Amino acid sequence: DVKVTQSSRYLVKRTGEKVFLECVQDMDHENMFWYRQDPGLGLRLIYFSYDVKMKEKGDIPEGYSVSREKKERFSLILESASTNQTSMYLCASSLSVGQGVYEQYFGPGTRLTVT
Amino acid sequence: TQLLEQSPQFLSIQEGENLTVYCNSSSVFSSLQWYRQEPGEGPVLLVTVVTGGEVKKLKRLTFQFGDARKDSSLHITAAQPGDTGLYLCRGAQKLVFGQGTRLTINP
Repeated sequence: DVKVTQSSRYLVKRTGEKVFLECVQDMDHENMFWYRQDPGLGLRLIYFSYDVKMKEKGDIPEGYSVSREKKERFSLILESASTNQTSMYLCASSLSVGQGVYEQYFGPGTRLTVT
Repeated sequence: TQLLEQSPQFLSIQEGENLTVYCNSSSVFSSLQWYRQEPGEGPVLLVTVVTGGEVKKLKRLTFQFGDARKDSSLHITAAQPGDTGLYLCRGAQKLVFGQGTRLTINP
């Protein structure tokens, strides 16, 4: 059974703290993604990675960075958390299939609250 | 501006009714996917449509891809409480999701 796990389901941090969100997949997928999900806005792509040590900015990368040192692990970093980063964060992984037709497998999400 | 517009944003109906939700864009997509997300979980893929005019059925769910590959619809027949969730469409090559339709089926 395929699995994407995220380090925390719920997280509460203070403004200005450095926050690490961890994601691990056990499917040997090349691609990994970080999204944030806010009511009425759907899923917005923050960053994605198509290989170890490779990363690409998504639609809303400001205030975030990522790290992919191993194929199975993709970390999202909030260098200095702010209240407008309070959100649900979803990690996903997928195989690389030509023309972008691939299934994404999602983790259960981390609900981050920044106070 | 959303690349993919889903409508309606919210829909609440009684068990046994039929419904249709829509995913529209001004862009052409090589393929389009529908996902369902239940509370406390990540989205799960329901179907991928690739060919213009394609119709796919998944039990009581019927998915259609527009002839011009700019829009798609999801029709549910005889809705059940287990169909409750957030339905998201995704245009494959642009990694873009619509904002979703939150569907509630009341017993």
